[in-house]
Amino acid sequence: DAGITQSPRHKVTETGTPVTLRCHQTENHRYMYWYRQDPGHGLRLIHYSYGVKDTDKGEVSDGYSVSRSKTEDFLLTLESATSSQTSVYFCAIRGSSALGTDTQYFGPGTRLTVL
Amino acid sequence: GQQVMQIPQYQHVQEGEDFTTYCNSSTTLSNIQWYKQRPGGHPVFLIQLVKSGEVKKQKRLTFQFGEAKKNSSLHITATQTTDVGTYFCGYGGSQGNLIFGKGTKLSVKP
Repeated sequence: DAGITQSPRHKVTETGTPVTLRCHQTENHRYMYWYRQDPGHGLRLIHYSYGVKDTDKGEVSDGYSVSRSKTEDFLLTLESATSSQTSVYFCAIRGSSALGTDTQYFGPGTRLTVL
Repeated sequence: GQQVMQIPQYQHVQEGEDFTTYCNSSTTLSNIQWYKQRPGGHPVFLIQLVKSGEVKKQKRLTFQFGEAKKNSSLHITATQTTDVGTYFCGYGGSQGNLIFGKGTKLSVKP
């Protein structure tokens, strides 16, 4: 799916520790997104990027920062993880479907548990 | 922000039965997209609807966009166990992202 990988795929960490999640794409897409998925809340946008070093906040950005130093990599950092950040994190890129419509392709996700 | 409401939240059906999920907005949408997420997987794009009253079919799946472009539905005819998963509707946000409904989780009993 659009050459998107996420690492790590699973992580367990302790409250107060920093955590960085990586999203890597191989197809030179300009727009990249970080979502979190929680039961009862669906998918919510954390941060997004519209180019190298160009990022902006989404709906649930508190406690998160991002960086994009290269087109292919979009990093999500939890400076000091909290239990409320236990979630599944999805990276996505904006691309075109086979039907020609503007759509989003998601990476496989990272399951993060903060104890 | 603007929300889309999806109903039902859960649906349990016997294999062979039909299934429908609805997506409703209080405001007019420029387009709506549907995604499927298998258990343990990631959302996968199914279709985009743009025109008022638009109907699109993909095999056993029928997608509709309401005349007022405020609601949409996904109907599956004769469900199969491979249809299991969560179905999300979403529309384009101002940041090029998608704003999703909370999804309908479908389970199919063989």
